[in-house]
Amino acid sequence: KAGVTQTPRYLIKTRGQQVTLSCSPISGHRSVSWYQQTPGQGLQFLFEYFSETQRNKGNFPGRFSGRQFSNSRSEMNVSTLELGDSALYLCASANPRQGDTEAFFGQGTRLTVV
Amino acid sequence: AQSVTQLGSHVSVSEGALVLLRCNYSSSVPPYLFWYVQYPNQGLQLLLKYTSAATLVKGINGFEAEFKKSETSFHLTKPSAHMSDAAEYFCAVTARASKIIFGSGTRLSIRP
Repeated sequence: KAGVTQTPRYLIKTRGQQVTLSCSPISGHRSVSWYQQTPGQGLQFLFEYFSETQRNKGNFPGRFSGRQFSNSRSEMNVSTLELGDSALYLCASANPRQGDTEAFFGQGTRLTVV
Repeated sequence: AQSVTQLGSHVSVSEGALVLLRCNYSSSVPPYLFWYVQYPNQGLQLLLKYTSAATLVKGINGFEAEFKKSETSFHLTKPSAHMSDAAEYFCAVTARASKIIFGSGTRLSIRP
């Protein structure tokens, strides 16, 4: 059974640009969550999508947005990139039918803003 | 509200020695608690989880953790450290798996 797949693994963008990251959850998982990991702030929850609807949102500015498709794949978009957006972005999927107690993480996308 | 505090940002032990990584949590509802491990440039791998069944939880790679409600603790231990255990470890709490609150992490170093 394939795990959570995030693409691309590495990205370099310029300040002011926008970026889209992709996450394919484990087959059958309908919940996808996104996290930002930085040396200064650690791991922070961005948002969660379930059945194409945003179910939960962390404390990030509106430049950070996401969506989920009918096949549960999710994308995260960051507009008007800032240097501080450089981070490892992790996606996790979960299966509510199994009691919703375990999240499986992808390898992450390393975003560098220059 | 939920939160996690990991005591010690860096722990160093000798190979073969006991590993003890400390974690205290705060939760207004019965929590699910996790320990994750992260190797350089990798995602998070689940070591073990507590979901209100047995208070002593055994995980992968010889790690275990004990849930102590009276102390609001969920410390991670391993009897004998191995060089391959060197990594970053995160304690985490959630009411459901889709919004996880992580601790700040503890970097474990193993001395030969």
